Amino acid sequence: LPVLTQPPSASALLGASIKLTCTLSSDHSTYTIEWYRQRPGRSPQYIMRVKSDGSYKKGDGIPDRFVGFSSGADRYLTISNLQSDDEAVYHCGESHTIGGQVGYVFGTGTEVTVL
Amino acid sequence: EVQLVESGGGLVQPGGSLRLSCAASGFTFSNYEMNWVRQAPGRGLEWVAHISRSGSTVHFADSVKGRVTVSRDNAENSLYLQMSGLSADDTAIYYCVRDPTSHGSPQQFDYWGQGTLVAVSS
Repeated sequence: LPVLTQPPSASALLGASIKLTCTLSSDHSTYTIEWYRQRPGRSPQYIMRVKSDGSYKKGDGIPDRFVGFSSGADRYLTISNLQSDDEAVYHCGESHTIGGQVGYVFGTGTEVTVL
Repeated sequence: EVQLVESGGGLVQPGGSLRLSCAASGFTFSNYEMNWVRQAPGRGLEWVAHISRSGSTVHFADSVKGRVTVSRDNAENSLYLQMSGLSADDTAIYYCVRDPTSHGSPQQFDYWGQGTLVAVSS
């Protein structure tokens, strides 16, 4: 199965910027991923899809402070002007087909703290 | 407004069965592929099942294959997950999730329900 690697935690000051990383396994380095945000005690929320060429498409109502980009096997989500409301776990996910079997795998998530 | 409301969770004994339901509103349900995603307490997200718009194509995670079926009733705007042979490993919040693509496989999850908790314990 493909593996998505995310650092367990990240933090930044209120009003600052933060860059979150999701690293694809080497055999899936060109895959597209999605980012989701899960605030404490809430359901996940779709943020955006990021392709290997660095293009991204956001979900409904996601502000311009959220930007995606790519470099090699890494997919990034940057959040600028960090707000207290951005404190959440950020999950990345990837769709795949292996040996005719389809599936979707998530990373373990990065917990973001706003200082 | 898109709404997905799950129900049917609860406490079930190991080896037992449960049927989860999801009531969809605010969009044309029959136009969307749907999924179930679960989250064990304090853990990450795990995709469980996918169903095509007509219900003719389904896919399952290896962890539930053979123990779970997914179905839908487009006339009733409802999605279902029938689970059997439950174990403690199935304890999780189960989310009903919409997929805006039409690939016939899980691709992207743009709207999530609030989830329903399934607890497997004796």
